[in-house]
Amino acid sequence: DAKTTQPTSMDCAEGRAANLPCNHSTISGNEYVYWYRQIHSQGPQYIIHGLKNNETNEMASLIITEDRKSSTLILPHATLRDTAVYYCIVRANTGTASKLTFGTGTRLQVTL
Amino acid sequence: GAVVSQHPSWVICKSGTSVKIECRSLDFQATTMFWYRQFPKQSLMLMATSNEGSKATYEQGVEKDKFLINHASLTLSTLTVTSAHPEDSSFYICSAHRQGVQPQHFGDGTRLSIL
Repeated sequence: DAKTTQPTSMDCAEGRAANLPCNHSTISGNEYVYWYRQIHSQGPQYIIHGLKNNETNEMASLIITEDRKSSTLILPHATLRDTAVYYCIVRANTGTASKLTFGTGTRLQVTL
Repeated sequence: GAVVSQHPSWVICKSGTSVKIECRSLDFQATTMFWYRQFPKQSLMLMATSNEGSKATYEQGVEKDKFLINHASLTLSTLTVTSAHPEDSSFYICSAHRQGVQPQHFGDGTRLSIL
């Protein structure tokens, strides 16, 4: 699976949009981009995933560049409860389950 | 959304005892379940992958005789830490996967402390 690079940490004011970048320059054509977050002392929570088109759900939006070498997770109106470590993971989908390889992620701190 | 239940949430036991952790997918059938371990201030590390009805596949460096995995049904996998020692103290997390492009869903983890 392709390696990803994320900033170590970011701050965001409550109510503002949080934009979390991820570089995955070696991504292959059959690899999807997945985003998870982990709030302290809990298991990771799935947020969103995509292949090449932008995606939006009730939690966030995922913007993938046309060359697919990077993506941005957008939390439109961050709240204190969004404080967590956010992981960007690329993974091939071959019809059978394949493992997720977690990097160090981005520690997002939402402040008042 | 998909729910994965993990039990117990935390356990404290003496060195030398064995501990069983259960992972259940409550509202979907999981063809594959994964077991991870996370030490303080570190990221999740995959320990093993298990498919229902077959032997688990362990990552390099993970002792299969120490970390026994049973995946008896499409909704239940168990991890048994045998003869646990203080160095096995960690946060153990399972995930369940339905199929294809569907995401893995994680349990809330089990904090294991060995005295």
